[in-house]
Formats: sequence, C-alpha cells, structure tokens
Amino acid sequence: QKEVEQDPGPLSVPEGAIVSLNCTYSNSAFQYFMWYRQYSRKGPELLMYTYSSGNKEDGRFTAQVDKSSKYISLFIRDSQPSDSATYLCAMRETSYDKVIFGPGTSLSVIP
Amino acid sequence: DGGITQSPKYLFRKEGQNVTLSCEQNLNHDAMYWYRQDPGQGLRLIYYSQIVNDFQKGDIAEGYSVSREKKESFPLTVTSAQKNPTAFYLCASLRVGGLPNQPQHFGDGTRLSIL
Repeated sequence: QKEVEQDPGPLSVPEGAIVSLNCTYSNSAFQYFMWYRQYSRKGPELLMYTYSSGNKEDGRFTAQVDKSSKYISLFIRDSQPSDSATYLCAMRETSYDKVIFGPGTSLSVIP
Repeated sequence: DGGITQSPKYLFRKEGQNVTLSCEQNLNHDAMYWYRQDPGQGLRLIYYSQIVNDFQKGDIAEGYSVSREKKESFPLTVTSAQKNPTAFYLCASLRVGGLPNQPQHFGDGTRLSIL
C-alpha cells in the first residue's frame, strides 16, 4: 500500500460545478496537510495548508481533514476553466523536512 | 520578486553523460530540496540540504549527486549511473524556524530527456 493514495483522474466537470478531490493515507503520524495546484510544465503552487483535523476555507476552496479516517479533501466551488490543473495532496509529520506527495489528480473544467 | 529559478527548462542527455541542473533561490531560505516527478507518481525526494555544506539523501538518491556551497544554490547532477533519468525535476526551498506551517516553495522545473 502506498503511503498516500489519490485518484489520478482525469476528472472533467462543467464550469460552475463543485469539485471534490480526495486523498487517503496510511501514516497516522502525519500532522500537516497541504494541497498544491500544478499547471502543465510548471512547479506546484500551494493552495491550502491545514494542521490536524478540521476545515479551512479560502475563497472558493475548502480543505477538510479527517484524521480518524486518514482522509483529506479539497472542495472547489463555482469551478472555473482556470482551475484546470493537476492537484497534489501532500502531508508531513511533525518534522519539516519530510513531505510525502500524492500522485495528483488531473482536473479539467469545461466552459 | 523573490523566488526559485531553475535552469535550463529543457535538457537532453546523451548516454554516458553527466548533466547538471541549476537551482537558485533569493528567498533567503535555509533548506533546499530536489524532487523527481514521473507521470502517475507523486514527487519523490532525491536530496535535501538544511544548511550550507551539508546535505542528505532522500528516497531515490542513487545516480544523483548534489552540492551546497552557497545558501542560494543547490545544483543537482544526474550521473551516467542513473539509468532512467527521463523525468521532470523540481527544486524547492523552505524557511527553517519560525512558525511550523511553513510551506515549500517550488521552481518551475527542468524536463530532462534522453537522446
């Protein structure tokens, strides 16, 4: 079993839809959870950063962490064509120098 | 603007050749990282460095080498011993200390291919 699993997609939705992206993980020591967005031929950029369980909202993006289920989600409301990218979940233990990335989900938002 | 600069954007390697990928940051970050990204796989850590003149192997260090002679620079050499070097290589940096929720900043990558 991989340490972090993520459905690779591709996921295709119409503009304005609510998108749900998910990751599961096996290491209960993970404390910090991140979502990155990566456009084609670019480096990942940080979207959301959460600590432990709970929800965090930033504009159209909401990140949820359920540590009891080892499951994290990213919701995108009112999706736009500019949201078309690969979304990577990432997580780390209490030390800052070990980040584990999921394989990424490819999202296409169709106008 | 502060950021991470990777060069070149595209690189081609001949059989038996060593090539070096450049990574420079002006964020005054202490820690720097090299990742490899392959289709369908997450980023895998090759090497990382938390201070000048010191670095540690990541999960897939075989066939790669690094140096950290300056805080701003962390070049990666892909040696001829790396038999499957075709991938997208990403450099990242991180500020050490301060708040615990410091994210890594990434460059825009170098795509390496075999001729």
